[in-house]
Formats: sequence, C-alpha cells, structure tokens
Amino acid sequence: GENVEQHPSTLSVQEGDSAVIKCTYSDSASNYFPWYKQELGKGPQLIIDIRSNVGEKKDQRIAVTLNKTAKHFSLHITETQPEDSAVYFCAASIGGGADGLTFGKGTHLIIQP
Amino acid sequence: SAVISQKPSRDICQRGTSLTIQCQVDSQVTMMFWYRQQPGQSLTLIATANQGSEATYESGFVIDKFPISRPNLTFSTLTVSNMSPEDSSIYLCSVRANYGYTFGSGTRLTVV
Repeated sequence: GENVEQHPSTLSVQEGDSAVIKCTYSDSASNYFPWYKQELGKGPQLIIDIRSNVGEKKDQRIAVTLNKTAKHFSLHITETQPEDSAVYFCAASIGGGADGLTFGKGTHLIIQP
Repeated sequence: SAVISQKPSRDICQRGTSLTIQCQVDSQVTMMFWYRQQPGQSLTLIATANQGSEATYESGFVIDKFPISRPNLTFSTLTVSNMSPEDSSIYLCSVRANYGYTFGSGTRLTVV
C-alpha cells in the first residue's frame, strides 16, 4: 500500500519568515495530495490540495508543489503569522473517491514571535 | 464543503465495554471513512463505509472490534468493542465532497 513520509517532525521559524514542509510518497498511482492543518482539540482542516496533473498551486500565503517523477510534494507558507502555529499533515490518495487518505506523520510548526 | 457532526465529542469508558460513535453529514455522500488518531500521532484509516454494503477494513482492523453501520447516505456509526486502554484515541469521521476530504471534529476516547 501507499506510504507517506513527512519531514521535519518539528519546525520552528520566526514570525514573518517562510516555512517549508516536505513529503514523499511511494505509490505512483496516487494522484491527489492534500495538506491539512490541525489545531489542538480540533479535526484536520484542508488548507490546500494538488492533483497529479498540476505542478504547483497557490492560495495567498500558501503554496504546494508536486514533483511526480521524484514522488514528492511540499507545502510552502510565506510571511508566517502566530496563527499558523499548528500541526500540519500531508496525505496521498489514489483518488476516485472510493479510497481514503494515507497520512504523513505530521509536522509541528511553531511560529516564534 | 460538507459539514460533519460527530457524537459524542469525548467520553471516558471502562475497559471491556463498547462505545458507539455517530457521524452525521449535512449532505448525501457515497463514501464515508473512519480514522483513528492515537495520542500525538498521525491519522490511520480504519475502514471505508459505502451505503448498502459491508464496510471495507484496512489491514490491522477487524469488523468484530470496529463494527460499522451505514444505514443511509448521510449517517454512519463506528463501534469500538471490548475496549482496552490501547483503544484510547481520537476517532474521526470523514467524507469526500467536491472540495476534497472533510473531517469531523472527532471523538476523544479515554479507556480506563
């Protein structure tokens, strides 16, 4: 089955700086790659996603890049703010709606004021 | 996107007992998914529930331990049976809607 590796496990950045979280996946059939933000006591919230026919997607301060050949994708957060502090998870799915998600182990992002 | 309501939000249960978690969606969906998130860990898919058929379980999860019902297109239940302290986790319901996979806020289960 699919295996998703995520790095780093903890990332501390100064407010205003950029943060990058990286994931790799194993199954070349995977074609959907979402990123989730989870705050304490809450369920994961989808922040951005990308499909395998796209190399990059951006939404304001957040961007995701995908390299299908290397089987890795990354989350980029620019101009970080204190409210960006949370645990971020990457995930992968073969898609089609019938398959669930395989998650990475998560990155605890800490924004230092 | 779809809105998911999960009940209960949290519970403390005695070992050997069972707990049924409810998941209600505000729109009709074909597939519903149940995940487990152990303390400080990532999410692991337990099973996929399709209305009108038996749930499909992932490796390491069995129906006798985690029976699932899916009586209609907006509702599902997950039961955690014969609980032990190792079952202490957050259990989350998820659906796939037009804008990707949406999650409920989870049920935080503590087994004592």
